[in-house]
Amino acid sequence: QVQLVQSGAEVKKPGASVKVSCKASGYTFTNYYMHWVRQAPGQGLEWMGIINPSGGGTSYAQKFQGRVTMTRDTSTSTVYMELSSLRSEDTAVYYCARDLYGSGSLVFWGQGTMVTVSS
Amino acid sequence: QSALTQPPSASGSPGQSVTISCTGTSSDVGGFNYVSWYQQHPGKAPKLMIYEVSKRPSGVPDRFSGSKSGNTASLTVSGLQAEDEADYYCSSYAGSLWVFGGGTKLTVL
Repeated sequence: QVQLVQSGAEVKKPGASVKVSCKASGYTFTNYYMHWVRQAPGQGLEWMGIINPSGGGTSYAQKFQGRVTMTRDTSTSTVYMELSSLRSEDTAVYYCARDLYGSGSLVFWGQGTMVTVSS
Repeated sequence: QSALTQPPSASGSPGQSVTISCTGTSSDVGGFNYVSWYQQHPGKAPKLMIYEVSKRPSGVPDRFSGSKSGNTASLTVSGLQAEDEADYYCSSYAGSLWVFGGGTKLTVL
């Protein structure tokens, strides 16, 4: 069965960077795009970007351009999302989610990783 | 890219039907048939309920249906049940990126 297992909770100071991992299993890793979505406490879902695990190509939401980097390691079937220059507003649960087949239909989700930015 | 517009809340009694709207523009909802709907219970990851406007993933009850007219997509929940009480989010492709709606809290009275 498809599983997306994310790394554990993080506490970071303002200005620091965080790197969240998402290890995939139960399917051919390179066949499906992976998205990153975040949710601030009590707020809605926010799309951050997408990575093609096959070639590594990415597309990011304009809001995060210059601050976010999504990468993948095909040898371990893992995707990563690194967010830099953290500020308090980046405190949120970060989810990886696998696309159904390229239409942005996020059918499988990781368990979420809480990132807290606090001085 | 602006978020899609959803009503903050909706409600209905058990057995009734409720429809949640999701309004975008011709650059997102109106321009592509790639609208998805997600259900999220407190403390849980979202769950895909509808994709490509009106398709249901395996395991989603047929009480959930989706449609689109122009720049507005809609999710209809028929025969409301207590477990349908949750937050619902729409999402649309917007040309190499995706955008979510602000979410609608559905209350089953």
